[in-house]
Amino acid sequence: GENVEQHPSTLSVQEGDSAVIKCTYSDSASNYFPWYKQELGKRPQLIIDIRSNVGEKKDQRIAVTLNKTAKHFSLHITETQPEDSAVYFCAALSGGYQKVTFGTGTKLQVIP
Amino acid sequence: ETGVTQSPTHLIKTRGQQVTLRCSSQSGHNTVSWYQQALGQGPQFIFQYYREEENGRGNFPPRFSGLQFPNYSSELNVNALELDDSALYLCASSLPGLADTDTQYFGPGTRLTVL
Repeated sequence: GENVEQHPSTLSVQEGDSAVIKCTYSDSASNYFPWYKQELGKRPQLIIDIRSNVGEKKDQRIAVTLNKTAKHFSLHITETQPEDSAVYFCAALSGGYQKVTFGTGTKLQVIP
Repeated sequence: ETGVTQSPTHLIKTRGQQVTLRCSSQSGHNTVSWYQQALGQGPQFIFQYYREEENGRGNFPPRFSGLQFPNYSSELNVNALELDDSALYLCASSLPGLADTDTQYFGPGTRLTVL
């Protein structure tokens, strides 16, 4: 089955700096890669996603890149703000049904 | 908000008991997936229901079972509760099969505590 690895597990940045979170996946058939933000005690919320026919996608301060050959994808947050502090999960969707395999999460702390 | 709702919000049970959790999917979504999220970990896929049929299952024992109803709402049932079943249970709805509509949207979750 699919295996998704995520690094780093924790990340502290100064407000205004950039943050990068990296993930690798194992199943070459995976074709959809969402990123979720989860604040303490709340549901995971989709912040951006990318499909396998695209190499990069950007939405304001958030961007995701995908390298299918190397089977890795990354989340980039620029101009970080304290409200960006949360746990971020990468995920990969594969299989004939929609099994989403999540990474282990990155706790991002943005220091004012 | 996603339009996906879950009930109850919190639940406390004792070992050996049975529990039923409920999920109402976003309007128009015919697929519901259930996940278990232990404290400090990522969500783990339990199973998925598509048009009232189980459409895939993760590494969970048979005491985890589910149902999906004609209106696409869903239930997760857990029998013979164990302490390790304490977790946040999330459901997510989606509408697979069409481009850009297979994104899964999560409900707020049910926090289950087993004593």
